[in-house]
Amino acid sequence: DAMVIQNPRYQVTQFGKPVTLSCSQTLNHNVMYWYQQKSSQAPKLLFHYYDKDFNNEADTPDNFQSRRPNTSFCFLDIRSPGLGDAAMYLCATSRVLADGNEQFFGPGTRLTVL
Amino acid sequence: AQSVTQPDIHITVSEGASLELRCNYSYGATPYLFWYVQSPGQGLQLLLKYFSGDTLVQGIKGFEAEFKRSQSSFNLRKPSVHWSDAAEYFCAVGGTGGGNKLTFGTGTQLKVEL
Repeated sequence: DAMVIQNPRYQVTQFGKPVTLSCSQTLNHNVMYWYQQKSSQAPKLLFHYYDKDFNNEADTPDNFQSRRPNTSFCFLDIRSPGLGDAAMYLCATSRVLADGNEQFFGPGTRLTVL
Repeated sequence: AQSVTQPDIHITVSEGASLELRCNYSYGATPYLFWYVQSPGQGLQLLLKYFSGDTLVQGIKGFEAEFKRSQSSFNLRKPSVHWSDAAEYFCAVGGTGGGNKLTFGTGTQLKVEL
């Protein structure tokens, strides 16, 4: 089945130690998104890639970076995680960037910062 | 700016009972509206979406939602709940400004009593 895969499902890191989360997709979609979901809060969009074009949300901290080396893979890098970065990180894809296009979500990676 | 309010944080219903989850949105024009479900350890799955046309929308798993412009609401309903419906439900609004950006509500946690 075509799907969105996130690895690892659980990630523990230390305060200030860089961490990378991975997302891959077999849907061949053009757009990939990263959301942050803190406990009991709504998912919040961090940024997205449309093909190779990167779009950062205005309020996304500089501590968060992303890479998309090819259509299938997208990475979320947190350069110096703080305790406040502990959250579920959701990757999503959509075929195109047009408004209303369905977004397909992966299972998420739960990040713990010690 | 677009926003979504889900006034009920937790709802408990008995199996076989009817269900209504509330969603109110704020947007200047007719938005794109979505309901997603998130089971434990799973990603968000799209239940249904509304763009235009018939204001009663049918979705998967026996769910439906009704768009009411006068009330700025998009409530989710199911006539008879099954134990497997226990999950977290998110309402989301998408704009028409390009970028396919979704704004989520904070979610409603549904518990089903057997």
